[in-house]
Amino acid sequence: KAGVTQTPRYLIKTRGQQVTLSCSPISGHRSVSWYQQTPGQGLQFLFEYFSETQRNKGNFPGRFSGRQFSNSRSEMNVSTLELGDSALYLCASSLGPQQGREQYFGPGTRLTVT
Amino acid sequence: TQLLEQSPQFLSIQEGENLTVYCNSSSVFSSLQWYRQEPGEGPVLLVTVVTGGEVKKLKRLTFQFGDARKDSSLHITAAQPGDTGLYLCAGGGGGFKTIFGAGTRLFVKA
Repeated sequence: KAGVTQTPRYLIKTRGQQVTLSCSPISGHRSVSWYQQTPGQGLQFLFEYFSETQRNKGNFPGRFSGRQFSNSRSEMNVSTLELGDSALYLCASSLGPQQGREQYFGPGTRLTVT
Repeated sequence: TQLLEQSPQFLSIQEGENLTVYCNSSSVFSSLQWYRQEPGEGPVLLVTVVTGGEVKKLKRLTFQFGDARKDSSLHITAAQPGDTGLYLCAGGGGGFKTIFGAGTRLFVKA
């Protein structure tokens, strides 16, 4: 089975711009979660989608949003980028809602905001 | 709020040494997962422990779940440079979310 794929792998944006990241889960997995990882804060939960519905949301501002399509692929969007948004953005898929389930991560998208 | 505390935060050892990494909480978890992450990549699932007192072995790695299901440990025997990475523990948190520990960064010198 193909693993979780994320595109693009690297991205450089300037402050004020917006960005869209894409995630394709493992075939058959219906839950997709997004995380932000920085050296100082570790792995921070952004949100989870299951069956095209957002099930959970972390403590991030409204500039961070996401969606899931009928084929379980997911996108996340960050508007009005700030320097502090520079991070590794990870997508993880699981069979069902995460709730402590095993998650399978993609390689991440490295976002740099200048 | 459920938290997972990992210790030590950083560990640098020589090849061939043994080590133990801890993951502790004051809350009960139905299961805990351990992941390893290498620089520039996503975490890779190593194991899931479910039953209190459970011990699982993965080659030179031994994982244990505490009897009360509040803590877990990862023991590596005869560490190798290939074991270098960030080790993360994770468990089901409140609000149907997964909680991750801050991780233990392991560096094994040849």
